[in-house]
Amino acid sequence: AQRVTQPEKLLSVFKGAPVELKCNYSYSGSPELFWYVQYSRQRLQLLLRHISRESIKGFTADLNKGETSFHLKKPFAQEEDSAMYYCALADSSYKLIFGSGTRLLVRP
Amino acid sequence: GAGVSQSPSNKVTEKGKDVELRCDPISGHTALYWYRQSLGQGLEFLIYFQGNSAPDKSGLPSDRFSAERTGGSVSTLTIQRTQQEDSAVYLCASSPGQGRFEKLFFGSGTQLSVL
Repeated sequence: AQRVTQPEKLLSVFKGAPVELKCNYSYSGSPELFWYVQYSRQRLQLLLRHISRESIKGFTADLNKGETSFHLKKPFAQEEDSAMYYCALADSSYKLIFGSGTRLLVRP
Repeated sequence: GAGVSQSPSNKVTEKGKDVELRCDPISGHTALYWYRQSLGQGLEFLIYFQGNSAPDKSGLPSDRFSAERTGGSVSTLTIQRTQQEDSAVYLCASSPGQGRFEKLFFGSGTQLSVL
């Protein structure tokens, strides 16, 4: 069965420091992966998706099939990046399964 | 429409009572999801509707939970004989339903508190 694992519940960094939010997945087919973000008092929203190979708000994520990972990275964290981040995987029936989330706290 | 709408935004109930949570998806979206968000558990998948296909109920935690979607639009999540462990934020999301690459549009959720 498909599974998404985010090993860190909380990641605390100082402003300007690099950030890496870890995500590992288990899926027998070809994975389609996403990162969603929830800022304080806002709705959960899409940050980026694997297929687009895009950089949003300075964040990037590369799919590593060998390591079954899709880590989210940003070279210089900003205070406004503080939020809850969820990694998600879409299976062949389009169902989206989320990880348990990582809270990122960027300190001034 | 303005987006995915959920009601009520907050619900306080007593243990053992039944509750109904409502979700109005974006017009035209064929896919509709229910998730449960709780501290330490992240986003737990509950149920998924896609068009006229049979719903994927694999995430429902017990037979006290059920959901329906009438006319391919509005969905209701029902929890019977609520328990304290049912306390959580229940999120609804919808998408056009055309492929795996789509983004989900989320509602603001219903905060359920079971006393």
